[in-house]
Amino acid sequence: GAGVSQSPSNKVTEKGKDVELRCDPISGHTALYWYRQSLGQGLEFLIYFQGNSAPDKSGLPSDRFSAERTGGSVSTLTIQRTQQEDSAVYLCASSLGKRASYNEQFFGPGTRLTVL
Amino acid sequence: AQSVTQLDSQVPVFEEAPVELRCNYSSSVSVYLFWYVQYPNQGLQLLLKYLSGSTLVKGINGFEAEFNKSQTSFHLRKPSVHISDTAEYFCAVSPFPLSGGYQKVTFGIGTKLQVIP
Repeated sequence: GAGVSQSPSNKVTEKGKDVELRCDPISGHTALYWYRQSLGQGLEFLIYFQGNSAPDKSGLPSDRFSAERTGGSVSTLTIQRTQQEDSAVYLCASSLGKRASYNEQFFGPGTRLTVL
Repeated sequence: AQSVTQLDSQVPVFEEAPVELRCNYSSSVSVYLFWYVQYPNQGLQLLLKYLSGSTLVKGINGFEAEFNKSQTSFHLRKPSVHISDTAEYFCAVSPFPLSGGYQKVTFGIGTKLQVIP
């Protein structure tokens, strides 16, 4: 079956522009996560969705970052007024989100964002 | 809160030699432990996990890890590495999930394994 897909795979933008990154989770997965992977920083949690709501968005680094999820499926991460420090690989993961049990997270291939 | 320390940022090893990638964690609650592998230009793939039971966990591609609660460690081992094992390996920890199914995973900074022919 299809895994988690992300688009675009690469995005180059100029400082100050807005960008939108898309994530298509595995069908039926109610939980969706966004992470940022910067060089030498490992993976940094950004936001968690359960259905269309975001119970934990504590990892969003500033108010320039926002995310939404519609129809309990596709999610979009938006970065406004991009800065060079936003350059990173943005990873999306989804899981079944079952209550009180282990839920494996399945990762997409990521979007590599370069801000010039 | 949880934290993960991967002590080695890069590990070079000759082909067919054994390897150990070290991971230590800190948590005030019981946790699940994971190792993920990331091949170049790909997303993360789960290598193995410890949820409960036997402290020796076997994963894909001949890797295994041992959970040591007293030392708060979860080191990854392979007795004989191949060129194809060249990748970045991430140790991760997650507290037992909240009732809503939330699985917050905290990752280490990664260890790059370079297998030398």
